[in-house]
Amino acid sequence: EDQVTQSPEALRLQEGESSSLNCSYTVSGLRGLFWYRQDPGKGPEFLFTLYSAGEEKEKERLKATLTKKESFLHITAPKPEDSATYLCAVFYGGSQGNLIFGKGTKLSVKP
Amino acid sequence: DAGVIQSPRHEVTEMGQEVTLRCKPISGHNSLFWYRQTMMRGLELLIYFNNNVPIDDSGMPEDRFSAKMPNASFSTLKIQPSEPRDSAVYFCASSLVGGPSTDTQYFGPGTRLTVL
Repeated sequence: EDQVTQSPEALRLQEGESSSLNCSYTVSGLRGLFWYRQDPGKGPEFLFTLYSAGEEKEKERLKATLTKKESFLHITAPKPEDSATYLCAVFYGGSQGNLIFGKGTKLSVKP
Repeated sequence: DAGVIQSPRHEVTEMGQEVTLRCKPISGHNSLFWYRQTMMRGLELLIYFNNNVPIDDSGMPEDRFSAKMPNASFSTLKIQPSEPRDSAVYFCASSLVGGPSTDTQYFGPGTRLTVL
């Protein structure tokens, strides 16, 4: 079954404590993997798109990486304002393609 | 730019009633997406349009759901009749060009639907 699994479901960090979020996928024909940030009561906000294994992208304290089976979102020296739910989505397959989102990782960063 | 605009922000209705959700995409964007988000199932793509034409509606759960895009600046998602299991937050998103993989999507604030 095609699926996207994010772990952990929730993560609590102290300010400055670096960590990583995981997004593993079992699909055929990956065409793109996306990371989004979602704040409570708001729509997801786009962060990154990764297209092929080995690709990396960075934005401020965030760095996304991609392998053939999973993606990591590394958070370096997080701040309280990084607290949010981080969603991973995978676009795959032929023709119109399919899009699946993971359930997300809820990150809390305490000062 | 005002971003993607959705209305209403909250909707409470009774089972069996018709519900219409509205979306105004960002001006100049040619693709529009409707999503549903629940705790159990997460975020699901329901349907997307390119240049006002529905491209993929395979995510629409049943015939009770329908979506239209009569022009480049307006889209509706209709549920008729509504059922309690339709309760969710419905998001609209738009992008400049292409389908789900080709461009950044900008999400609206969502409509929280509660069906009693």
